[in-house]
Amino acid sequence: SQTIHQWPATLVQPVGSPLSLECTVEGTSNPNLYWYRQAAGRGLQLLFYSVGIGQISSEVPQNLSASRPQDRQFILSSKKLLLSDSGFYLCAWSGWDRVAEAFFGQGTRLTVV
Amino acid sequence: GNSVTQMEGPVTLSEEAFLTINCTYTATGYPSLFWYVQYPGEGLQLLLKATKADDKGSNKGFEATYRKETTSFHLEKGSVQVSDSAVYFCALHNYGGSQGNLIFGKGTKLSVKP
Repeated sequence: SQTIHQWPATLVQPVGSPLSLECTVEGTSNPNLYWYRQAAGRGLQLLFYSVGIGQISSEVPQNLSASRPQDRQFILSSKKLLLSDSGFYLCAWSGWDRVAEAFFGQGTRLTVV
Repeated sequence: GNSVTQMEGPVTLSEEAFLTINCTYTATGYPSLFWYVQYPGEGLQLLLKATKADDKGSNKGFEATYRKETTSFHLEKGSVQVSDSAVYFCALHNYGGSQGNLIFGKGTKLSVKP
């Protein structure tokens, strides 16, 4: 069966520090991968999605970046965090078929102080 | 482009009340439609889905019908329970435009009081 792992679960980082959140998927090949952010009291904002290794589409310009070094690994990074980067970050994967549902990780609660 | 609009929350109901959360969409091509639920502190999980017009998705007493003529996918439950308290997201998945295009509404927070 397929599983998705996302870590860490919580993170407190000072302004200006770097960020690296990792997401890995097991039990499937060539998934579509997504990073979402959910700010307090707001909906899901799509940050990045990837349809293959090294292929990243950015939905919102910001100081975050994403990389997909392996088929089932998706990394969200920042060189210098801002206070506004605080939020709940969710990784997800889906199959290629349009009827495929998305599967989500448990999320990372990031607080920038 | 693709977009999803769902009713603003929060929605507060008493136990056993009837629930409706409205969702409308804009899309090119033939999207699939989904409802996801998010319990506090967790990621999202699929609640139900419908993949073509007039399909009805159902799960755990929740239902939603894919209405192409009104571009809607409203979520309903006849009798809510305290355990249904969560945030509900309407979503569409479409390959008519960009590959891997999974679009969510802003979410509706439901609180059910005993």
